Amino acid sequence: GENVEQHPSTLSVQEGDSAVIKCTYSDSASNYFPWYKQELGKGPQLIIDIRSNVGEKKDQRIAVTLNKTAKHFSLHITETQPEDSAVYFCAATGNTPLVFGKGTRLSVIA
Amino acid sequence: GAGVSQSPSNKVTEKGKDVELRCDPISGHTALYWYRQRLGQGLEFLIYFQGNSAPDKSGLPSDRFSAERTGESVSTLTIQRTQQEDSAVYLCASSNIASGFTYEQYFGPGTRLTVT
Repeated sequence: GENVEQHPSTLSVQEGDSAVIKCTYSDSASNYFPWYKQELGKGPQLIIDIRSNVGEKKDQRIAVTLNKTAKHFSLHITETQPEDSAVYFCAATGNTPLVFGKGTRLSVIA
Repeated sequence: GAGVSQSPSNKVTEKGKDVELRCDPISGHTALYWYRQRLGQGLEFLIYFQGNSAPDKSGLPSDRFSAERTGESVSTLTIQRTQQEDSAVYLCASSNIASGFTYEQYFGPGTRLTVT
């Protein structure tokens, strides 16, 4: 089955800097790759996703890239703000339930 | 419109007791998922419902866990004879899919279960 690895587990950046979180997956049949943000005491919130027919997608300060050959995808947050502090999860799926990475705790230091 | 709702938000129970957790999906969403999230961990898939198809129970950790869904609405996750290792946040998600799983899943706020 699918296996998703996520790095780093924790990440601290200065406000205004960029943050990058990377994930790898094992199943070449996976074709949908969402990213979720989870704030303390809340459920995960979908922030951006990418499908296998594109290599990059951008939404304001957030972008996701996908390399199907290498089986990895990344989340890029530019101009980070304190409210970006949260736990971020990547996930992958083809025709199975979403398989999640273990999460990255992002801290943006003002 | 309303998002996914779950109740209760918190549940404390004694070891050995049964608990029921409820999920109300987004109206019109045909698919419903349950996940378990242990403290500081990722999300662990438990069970998936899609329309009138047989549920995918492949993630249920033991026969103490079961879930039901009435049509395309409310779902209940039941844990019998709770154990301390069942302590976790139980998350429900729903999505509107035509086929397969590859559509956006929207999560509820979760139920925090503590077994003492």
